[in-house]
Amino acid sequence: KFMLTQPHSVSESPGKTVTISCTGSGGAIAGNFVQWYQQRPGSGPTTVIFESDQRPSGVPDRFSGSIDSSSNSASLTISGLRTEDEADYYCQSQRVFGGGTWVSVL
Amino acid sequence: EVKLVESGGALVQPGGSLRLSCVASGFDFEEYAMHWVRKVPGKGLEWVAILTWNNNNLAYAASVKGRFTISRDDAENSLFLQMNSLRPDDTASYYCVKDMAGGGSYSFDSWGQGTQVTVSS
Repeated sequence: KFMLTQPHSVSESPGKTVTISCTGSGGAIAGNFVQWYQQRPGSGPTTVIFESDQRPSGVPDRFSGSIDSSSNSASLTISGLRTEDEADYYCQSQRVFGGGTWVSVL
Repeated sequence: EVKLVESGGALVQPGGSLRLSCVASGFDFEEYAMHWVRKVPGKGLEWVAILTWNNNNLAYAASVKGRFTISRDDAENSLFLQMNSLRPDDTASYYCVKDMAGGGSYSFDSWGQGTQVTVSS
């Protein structure tokens, strides 16, 4: 069974860079596109990365996505952290979601 | 601007039924696959069901197969989820989600705000 594993939480100071990992098991993560979604408390999710490394219009270029086949993982990097980036972030591939990572901006 | 508005969530007893609706605007609804995704309180997101454009293909998560039915009315730009034999573990916020392709790429580009379903006696 294909699964995606994310760290439960990460924290960093405003202006810094944070990277969230999404590790696949039970299959090759590079076999399909990976998406990343942001969900702030009380709101529905929004897409910040689609097709592994593409940003929807309106998403700032502080958000970037990548795939590392050697480690069977995907990553979401947020640079120049802002307080409004504080949220849950989920990776997803096909019908499978990661458990979510809470990003805390200290 | 793409907009997805869900409705129909409620408090229902175990074994009961609910029908969720989602009205879409801002895009050619009939050309895209649509999904339902849910978020259980304190847990993560769970994919529930897909219905491709032209009603060509549909699929369900194992946890809801045989109890939930996804459907669409392209004339009304609407997506539905009929939920029967509801269980406490179906308690969640249910989101209507737009796929980037008609055949179902599982790349989701737009989400609704969600509707809350609570199954409890």
